[in-house]
Amino acid sequence: DADVTQTPRNRITKTGKRIMLECSQTKGHDRMYWYRQDPGLGLRLIYYSFDVKDINKGEISDGYSVSRQAQAKFSLSLESAIPNQTALYFCATSDFWGAQYFGPGTRLTVL
Amino acid sequence: QKEVEQNSGPLSVPEGAIASLNCTYSDRGSQSFFWYRQYSGKSPELIMSIYSNGDKEDGRFTAQLNKASQYVSLLIRDSQPSDSATYLCAVKIGGFQKLVFGTGTRLLVSP
Repeated sequence: DADVTQTPRNRITKTGKRIMLECSQTKGHDRMYWYRQDPGLGLRLIYYSFDVKDINKGEISDGYSVSRQAQAKFSLSLESAIPNQTALYFCATSDFWGAQYFGPGTRLTVL
Repeated sequence: QKEVEQNSGPLSVPEGAIASLNCTYSDRGSQSFFWYRQYSGKSPELIMSIYSNGDKEDGRFTAQLNKASQYVSLLIRDSQPSDSATYLCAVKIGGFQKLVFGTGTRLLVSP
């Protein structure tokens, strides 16, 4: 089984809808991250969490919120989706040395 | 100046050749460096990590780090068409458990 899983893998939604992307991990890591990737812009950090009680904004947190329900679960929400949030979203965990391990990604399209 | 810079490519090499991918970074305090491989539409996969000056070899991959010159490189020996992908350089900045990613170099290996 994959160490980092994301659901859903693909989602098409309409402008204004609330969307939740979920991430689960079995690696036992405390640190978890949400990124989005757009062509030509690389990976950009949305939010990160060092443990259940520690959540931090990344470089592009506007329009997003997160919830760390447990050590193994970290969810990303788009409260009111807009078309420019169409992107590939990745969840990741990191080990003690800082190496990050990515989930398979969610392809989100906002119409 | 971007914190982590890579040539976007594409870097084209024939099958069997050595592919050389380069990355420069701006934070002299950086201690941990990583290379990821990303196939189109897939998630980044960690292939090498390096923490001290010099070379680190793993199979056909060699990572090279020169902290004085602030660059890290990845050599791929005996390149195969299956190595065709985008290679992301990532640097752990200072004491924070966050990685800064370059935008990646696209590698094309022709049969």
